Amino acid sequence: GESVGLHLPTLSVQEGDNSIINCAYSNSASDYFIWYKQESGKGPQFIIDIRSNMDKRQGQRVTVLLNKTVKHLSLQIAATQPGDSAVYFCAERTGFQKLVFGTGTRLLVSP
Amino acid sequence: DAGITQSPRHKVTETGTPVTLRCHQTENHRYMYWYRQDPGHGLRLIHYSYGVKDTDKGEVSDGYSVSRSKTEDFLLTLESATSSQTSVYFCAITREGSTGELFFGEGSRLTVL
Repeated sequence: GESVGLHLPTLSVQEGDNSIINCAYSNSASDYFIWYKQESGKGPQFIIDIRSNMDKRQGQRVTVLLNKTVKHLSLQIAATQPGDSAVYFCAERTGFQKLVFGTGTRLLVSP
Repeated sequence: DAGITQSPRHKVTETGTPVTLRCHQTENHRYMYWYRQDPGHGLRLIHYSYGVKDTDKGEVSDGYSVSRSKTEDFLLTLESATSSQTSVYFCAITREGSTGELFFGEGSRLTVL
């Protein structure tokens, strides 16, 4: 929510469109990645994860793609709905008990 | 829902006063964490616990202490609050046998005047 920051990158989409949210990670040795969704005034909510030995993983309406060559992670949301409006951020595991979180992207879905 | 309750959810205090935030979990998880979230920063780890009386520092532990006297409660204490500790604090757990994903509480918003 507003605690995450007022100047986050923002992605605005129309309801029904597909959304793609990107994340660049920093550590080539990271072995595990997670996407979180955070609604205003709430705690981050786990969406989907992927291990570094995979390049794609699908969930319900969401797909995560991992490109280790360029250290890039993306979250694709199919048929975006107003309820998907939130801040989305990625996290990478850089070591034991070490999750490094991105600052997030705000997704705005218009009806 | 990971059975995490944070209290208080909101607190306003003055510089120099002690503050304790409580995280309570009902599912007997071994690992518990305290993070802070600030504009322009990702979530940053303050301290974590891997069992009763077993705690370790995270990347932003200065000015904070923690205690875990029983499995279900993980306390975060600011001995003498400063304005730089104005933040939203999140407690989290990991589930045994999981890949390591964190499940978060609803947060505690702390304002230090």
